[in-house]
Amino acid sequence: DAGVIQSPRHEVTEMGQEVTLRCKPISGHNSLFWYRQTMMRGLELLIYFNNNVPIDDSGMPEDRFSAKMPNASFSTLKIQPSEPRDSAVYFCASSFWSGADGYTFGSGTRLTVV
Amino acid sequence: KNQVEQSPQSLIILEGKNCTLQCNYTVSPFSNLRWYKQDTGRGPVSLTIMTFSENTKSNGRYTATLDADTKQSSLHITASQLSDSASYICVAWGGSSTLGRLYFGRGTQLTVWP
Repeated sequence: DAGVIQSPRHEVTEMGQEVTLRCKPISGHNSLFWYRQTMMRGLELLIYFNNNVPIDDSGMPEDRFSAKMPNASFSTLKIQPSEPRDSAVYFCASSFWSGADGYTFGSGTRLTVV
Repeated sequence: KNQVEQSPQSLIILEGKNCTLQCNYTVSPFSNLRWYKQDTGRGPVSLTIMTFSENTKSNGRYTATLDADTKQSSLHITASQLSDSASYICVAWGGSSTLGRLYFGRGTQLTVWP
């Protein structure tokens, strides 16, 4: 199993541009989570899906952020328009059901907005 | 307020020495506690998961302890190696196994010097 696959690994973009981060969860996992990690705030849950349906998006910072999961093997996190304060590492994780028994994280996408 | 506090924030030790990282949590209802290791530029990787009924769990040179009464956990690393240099994150699961969420500590940054 290749694990949770995220792309791109690094993204540098100009303020105001649209950014799309991608995630492929582990086959068979039915929950997917998007996290943001910064030095100041650590890991923060943005949104999670169960069986492709968004369950909790209370962590999404504002309307500029949106996430979709069109099928069980693919999810995107989009930021439009991007701002410098969005610079962070974005992680995707997947698990069986709620994740109480364990998560698997991807390697992350380091986003820099200049 | 549900939260997880870790100490120390950073730690430097010499290769071959032992060390202990601390975690205090105020998560209720508490279900399980896990320790993750995060190498620079990578996603967190699970080291141990303990339910409230478990006192200790080992994974090679890593031994985690849990005291559910005092809401404290520790991660002991024996005979440290250079590859142990990483951030160690304590995470508590709050809620039932089917409905809940993870609460992350800010991590302890461990550096092992030769």
